[in-house]
Amino acid sequence: AQTVTQSQPEMSVQEAETVTLSCTYDTSESDYYLFWYKQPPSRQMILVIRQEAYKQQNATENRFSVNFQKAAKSFSLKISDSQLGDAAMYFCAYRSPNTGNQFYFGTGTSLTVIP
Amino acid sequence: GAVVSQHPSWVICKSGTSVKIECRSLDFQATTMFWYRQFPKQSLMLMATSNEGSKATYEQGVEKDKFLINHASLTLSTLTVTSAHPEDSSFYICSASSWDVLAKNIQYFGAGTRLSVL
Repeated sequence: AQTVTQSQPEMSVQEAETVTLSCTYDTSESDYYLFWYKQPPSRQMILVIRQEAYKQQNATENRFSVNFQKAAKSFSLKISDSQLGDAAMYFCAYRSPNTGNQFYFGTGTSLTVIP
Repeated sequence: GAVVSQHPSWVICKSGTSVKIECRSLDFQATTMFWYRQFPKQSLMLMATSNEGSKATYEQGVEKDKFLINHASLTLSTLTVTSAHPEDSSFYICSASSWDVLAKNIQYFGAGTRLSVL
């Protein structure tokens, strides 16, 4: 199985400020996909953003953007203009088309948004 | 996005009994379903991948006789925890996708099932 590491178990951010969540992964493959999922208290997993490894351009989705560093195997998530509704667990995930379509998740970062 | 319904949302059972959890895709044909287990404040651990009409592929360390997965139709997969024990208490999550959607790296998650074994 692939290894996905999130070194920040907990993070907090002031409302309207910017926060960056870290993720690193271990792989020997060149073709793969990376994701950030959000799990609010309802426990329903929600896809936040995704990135194809072959694309050099960093993905963005409104207030969410990533910093994808392929050589460093790093995939951080930046949340701009943080809102109270952003409070949740955030999971980084990896998928390779060569390993049976499985998704592998990191250990998660609990984000608190302070009003 | 597509809707995946997982039932029940919470089940309490006695030790030694079996529990069945259902995962349904309501508005698309799910050729592939994934079953995950999540311990409190921990990550999702992939248990198995099931393709419709085929036997499930289990991850290393997951007992296939303990966690029976059936994916007999394009809209339904079931996970049966056989002879459940307190250590099986956990949050179980399914996700579903179709071949073309999976090619876009998309999976749709159910809301999860909390299993408590007394």
